[in-house]
Amino acid sequence: NAGVMQNPRHLVRRRGQEARLRCSPMKGHSHVYWYRQLPEEGLKFMVYLQKENIIDESGMPKERFSAEFPKEGPSILRIQQVVRGDSAAYFCASSPRGGRSNNEQFFGPGTRLTVL
Amino acid sequence: LAKTTQPISMDSYEGQEVNITCSHNNIATNDYITWYQQFPSQGPRFIIQGYKTKVTNEVASLFIPADRKSSTLSLPRVSLSDTAVYYCLVGDRSGGGADGLTFGKGTHLIIQP
Repeated sequence: NAGVMQNPRHLVRRRGQEARLRCSPMKGHSHVYWYRQLPEEGLKFMVYLQKENIIDESGMPKERFSAEFPKEGPSILRIQQVVRGDSAAYFCASSPRGGRSNNEQFFGPGTRLTVL
Repeated sequence: LAKTTQPISMDSYEGQEVNITCSHNNIATNDYITWYQQFPSQGPRFIIQGYKTKVTNEVASLFIPADRKSSTLSLPRVSLSDTAVYYCLVGDRSGGGADGLTFGKGTHLIIQP
């Protein structure tokens, strides 16, 4: 059973470009979470999605950031008009049950975004 | 969510037992205590979870006193490969709400030969 897959592993963008990060959850998992980790910091929750629904986006910046988890295909975190402060590692996690009903989440290897 | 406090870093040697203590004075009745491990350039990995007393699995033990205001992750006979950041998390399993996990800065454990 493959784990959580994220691609690309590394992404370089210039200021003003768009970044698209993809996450395929573990097989059988329908709950996806996105986190951001700045250097020397812990992970910060961004958004929680189920298939076709955003459940909790309380950690998402109000502008430029969006996320989706379509009925078919991976979950996508989209960052428009990137700025240098968006440089970070972005982790996706999945779980078979949602939210705080199950604290065990399975994390992917992350996408390291560098904005030049 | 209950706030957690843990040492920023710890050092130990191969073969030693390592205990990392986490304080969570405001833990709520429904809260569980969960520990994750993160290696450089990787996502966190679940280690162990408990509610009270002692929990043991093939990787670690978790000791939780009666007042539950702290917990101790115990790693037996560590090796160099246990060098990682260890996060203590506190949250409920009631099923209510939909928050993601709340990570602090964790404890950077360094194991030396």
